[in-house]
This record gives sequence, structure tokens and C-alpha cells, in this order.
Amino acid sequence: AQSVTQLDSQVPVFEEAPVELRCNYSSSVSVYLFWYVQYPNQGLQLLLKYLSGSTLVKGINGFEAEFNKSQTSFHLRKPSVHISDTAEYFCAVEASGAGSYQLTFGKGTKLSVIP
Amino acid sequence: EPEVTQTPSHQVTQMGQEVILRCVPISNHLYFYWYRQILGQKVEFLVSFYNNEISEKSEIFDDQFSVERPDGSNFTLKIRSTKLEDSAMYFCASSVPSGRGNEQYFGPGTRLTVT
Repeated sequence: AQSVTQLDSQVPVFEEAPVELRCNYSSSVSVYLFWYVQYPNQGLQLLLKYLSGSTLVKGINGFEAEFNKSQTSFHLRKPSVHISDTAEYFCAVEASGAGSYQLTFGKGTKLSVIP
Repeated sequence: EPEVTQTPSHQVTQMGQEVILRCVPISNHLYFYWYRQILGQKVEFLVSFYNNEISEKSEIFDDQFSVERPDGSNFTLKIRSTKLEDSAMYFCASSVPSGRGNEQYFGPGTRLTVT
């Protein structure tokens, strides 16, 4: 079984400041890793994903994440946030297994960008 | 851009009543999913559906739940006799099975309130 821990439930940050949203996972098999974002009254939208290869993954809206296998982490970063980045961010994993595409999510981190 | 839609956005029902939550996946997608998020908790996988049958389900998805694709466009989740603990946001998702690490496209959710 897999599990995902998002260490911060809420992160306030000033506009144009950098931000890091933390995600750790636990799995006995290899995984694929995702970050989704949910804006108010909208569905979850994929920000980026790690499947294999380079451990630094770039996504939409200037976000990036780094896969660290030894620390089982996949932290999300942005060097300079905007008001429009205010949203809830979810880390998720998809485990290997024949025909299994289910995602296991963390509890989410609410990012509040302060003007 | 194609998107997953869900109706209704908010459903209020009395305990013991049957509810049907509706979803229209993206038209060329072949895998369909239901997830739920109880307030303050993680997004949890319920069920996946492919080729007109359930491909995977979680332990949450007991006999009170069923899914159906009644026509070529809709995908429904039925709860036969709702309980207070079924109150949650229910998300529908769809994906194209192109291998591992498929992006799942999520709808905006239906908030179910059981009184």
C-alpha cells in the first residue's frame, strides 16, 4: 500500500516570495508522482508529474518539483508566487501494479498568497 | 478545451435516500474514476471503470455503491441508502490509457450533504 504525507496543511506566503510545499510518500513498489492544484470551485488540475528520468520536473505556471528517492520526497517549489497561485495543492502517487491506475492523495496544502 | 463535467454541484439528501451523481467524462477517454473527499480529509479513491466494468475498487466502495455508464457519454455513481458519513465532495475523473502515469482529468465535484 502507498501513503502520501503533506506536512503543511496551510502555507501563507507574501506575493513574489518563494514557496516550497512539502510531500513525502511511502511505498513498497516504484511509483509515479503527481502534483495537482485545485482553484476555488474547480476540479483538480495537473501541475506536473514525475515518471522517470531527470529528477527535476517542470510544470505549468512556473512550478517545479524534485524527486528524491532516498528521502522519498517530491517537494513542489516556485521561486516567486503570484496572487493567482492561491489554491489548494495535492500531492499524489500512482503505484505500479497490473492495471492499477488509482491515485493515492495527500491531505492537501492550502497556499494563501498575501498581497 | 475539453473538460469533465459533474451534476449537480450540490446535493442535499436525507439519510436512507438514494442519490445518483452524474458525470460526463471527456469524450475520447476510456478509463473513468470516482474519488471522494470528506471535509478536512484526504481525497480517496473509490472505483475505476473500464470497458463497461469495474476494474478496481477500494474497501470504501461497498454494496451501497454502484457505477454505471448508461449511454455513451454519462458515468454515474449511485449510493443506494445514504448515511451521514457519506457526506463528502465526490470527484469524477477520466483518462486515456496510454500506459503508466496517465493524467487523470477531474471534474469540479459534487458536494453531497446527508442530513
